[in-house]
Amino acid sequence: KQEVTQIPAALSVPEGENLVLNCSFTDSAIYNLQWFRQDPGKGLTSLLLIQSSQREQTSGRLNASLDKSSGRSTLYIAASQPGDSATYLCAVMPPSGTYKYIFGTGTRLKVLA
Amino acid sequence: GAGVSQSPSNKVTEKGKDVELRCDPISGHTALYWYRQSLGQGLEFLIYFQGNSAPDKSGLPSDRFSAERTGGSVSTLTIQRTQQEDSAVYLCASSVSASLLNEKLFFGSGTQLSVL
Repeated sequence: KQEVTQIPAALSVPEGENLVLNCSFTDSAIYNLQWFRQDPGKGLTSLLLIQSSQREQTSGRLNASLDKSSGRSTLYIAASQPGDSATYLCAVMPPSGTYKYIFGTGTRLKVLA
Repeated sequence: GAGVSQSPSNKVTEKGKDVELRCDPISGHTALYWYRQSLGQGLEFLIYFQGNSAPDKSGLPSDRFSAERTGGSVSTLTIQRTQQEDSAVYLCASSVSASLLNEKLFFGSGTQLSVL
């Protein structure tokens, strides 16, 4: 059974710092992986989607990498800002290719001004 | 619409009552999904609809849960005889098509359900 883990559960950093959020999954057979952001009381916003054949995706200050063989993905945030404070979730799509994403429990990030 | 819309945003009900949660997906999106987010746990898949095809109900936790999607647009998730363990945030998402697997999901803000 696929399990998705995100460590740490919470993280506080000063503004301007570069940081890395980690996501690990137990079964390397995935269709794709998505990183989401969730603000308090809000739904999820998709940040980056990495297909199983890809190694990384970039959007602005965000870069997500995927190492399927080791069951890991990282989300790199450059020059963090207070507005980046949110919970970051990763989710993997099973190889069957259905939208039954399996989510991690997230990393709660706080960027201090 | 501009985004996925869910209503109500908050619902407080008494144990044993029925509740209906509504989701209005992004216009033109043929795929619609329901997830549940319980405190301290990850999101849990409940059900998804793709166009006029039969929905995938494999994630529904019990037969007290049902969902329908009328006219290929608005969806209603119904929970009958609510229990305290049903308390959670119910999130709806849509995408262009469930057959386009590398498409991003767009989520609504959710309905916070509290069963007393």
